[in-house]
This record gives sequence, C-alpha cells and structure tokens, in this order.
Amino acid sequence: AQSVTQPDIHITVSEGASLELRCNYSYGATPYLFWYVQSPGQGLQLLLKYFSGDTLVQGIKGFEAEFKRSQSSFNLRKPSVHWSDAAEYFCAVGVSSGSARQLTFGSGTQLTVLP
Amino acid sequence: DAGVIQSPRHEVTEMGQEVTLRCKPISGHDYLFWYRQTMMRGLELLIYFNNNVPIDDSGMPEDRFSAKMPNASFSTLKIQPSEPRDSAVYFCASIPRGVDTDTQYFGPGTRLTVL
Repeated sequence: AQSVTQPDIHITVSEGASLELRCNYSYGATPYLFWYVQSPGQGLQLLLKYFSGDTLVQGIKGFEAEFKRSQSSFNLRKPSVHWSDAAEYFCAVGVSSGSARQLTFGSGTQLTVLP
Repeated sequence: DAGVIQSPRHEVTEMGQEVTLRCKPISGHDYLFWYRQTMMRGLELLIYFNNNVPIDDSGMPEDRFSAKMPNASFSTLKIQPSEPRDSAVYFCASIPRGVDTDTQYFGPGTRLTVL
C-alpha cells in the first residue's frame, strides 16, 4: 500500500527566507505526486503536481517541487516566503483507480512565517 | 464558478442525533470524494462517486455512515446515530470530466462537533 511521510510537523521561517518542506513516499509503481495547501478554515488547494517528465515542477504562488526517485522524495521549495504563505501543507500520492486518482495524504506540515 | 459548496459550514449536535452534510460539486465534474480530517488520523478518504455511482466506500468507518449522490449536482453524507468520535472536519472534493482528471477541487469543509 502507498504511504506518505512528512517528517516536519511544524516549521517556522522568517519572511523573505527560503523554504523547503520535506515529503517522502512509498509506492511500488511510478508515483503521481501532489502538494496541496490548506489555509485556516479553508479547503485544500492544489499547488503543483508531478506525473512524469521534468523532475522539477513549477506551481502556483512561486512554489516548486523536485521529484527524486532515488530518494523517494518530493520536496516543496520556495525561494522567498511571504507572510501569506502561512498555512498547512500536505503532500499526497495518487493511486490510479479506474480513471481517477485516489489520494493518500501525509500528515501535513504547519508553516509559521515570522515578520 | 462558485467552486465546491458545502453546507453547513459548522454543525454542533448531540450524541445520538442524525447529521446530514451536503455537497454541491463544481458543474461539469463527474467524480466526487468525501474526506474526513482529524488531528489523530489526518485526511482520510471515506467514499467516492463517479457519475453519481459509488465506486469505493471502503473508507466508510462503519454502518452509521452512509453517502448518496442522487444527481450530478448534489451529494449527502449522513451519520446516524452520531457519536463524539465523529467530530471532525468533513471535506467534499470533485474532479472535472475530461482532460484534467487528476486535480481534486476541495470545498471549504464542514466542521462537525458531536457533544
């Protein structure tokens, strides 16, 4: 069965600093990987996704993620964090079921941004 | 587009009462997912539908939970009778028909508290 591990429960960074959120997955086949963001009181919003091809994917809000098969990782990065990035971030692996992907989510990383 | 709509946004009820959560997916979306989010278990997939038909309900915790999708624009998740351990945030998500079948669009969630 597939699984996702986000080893950092909570990360604090200063505004303007760089950010990297870690994600490790376990899945027997080629993974479909996603990063979602959840702002307080809101649903999840897709930041980016990886299916194949270029291992560095760009997403919305200036985020990017790099797929590293050898490390089973899909870490999320942003060069300069803004206060509005404070939220909870979820990594997910998609498993094909028919024509849709069932998502297995990690436990999330809460990001705090200091002024 | 209004996005995925869920109602109510907050529900407080007493143990033993019936609870009905509602979801309206985005028009033109043919997959609908129900998730539950708790601190202890994170985000869990409960059930999902394709073209109004339940495809996989293996995540439904027990017989007290039931879900229906009578038409393409409406789904309900019912808990009868409710218990305090059902307290969680329940999300609905949908996937568009056609090209982008991998991006799930989440609603804002319903926060359920069972006293």
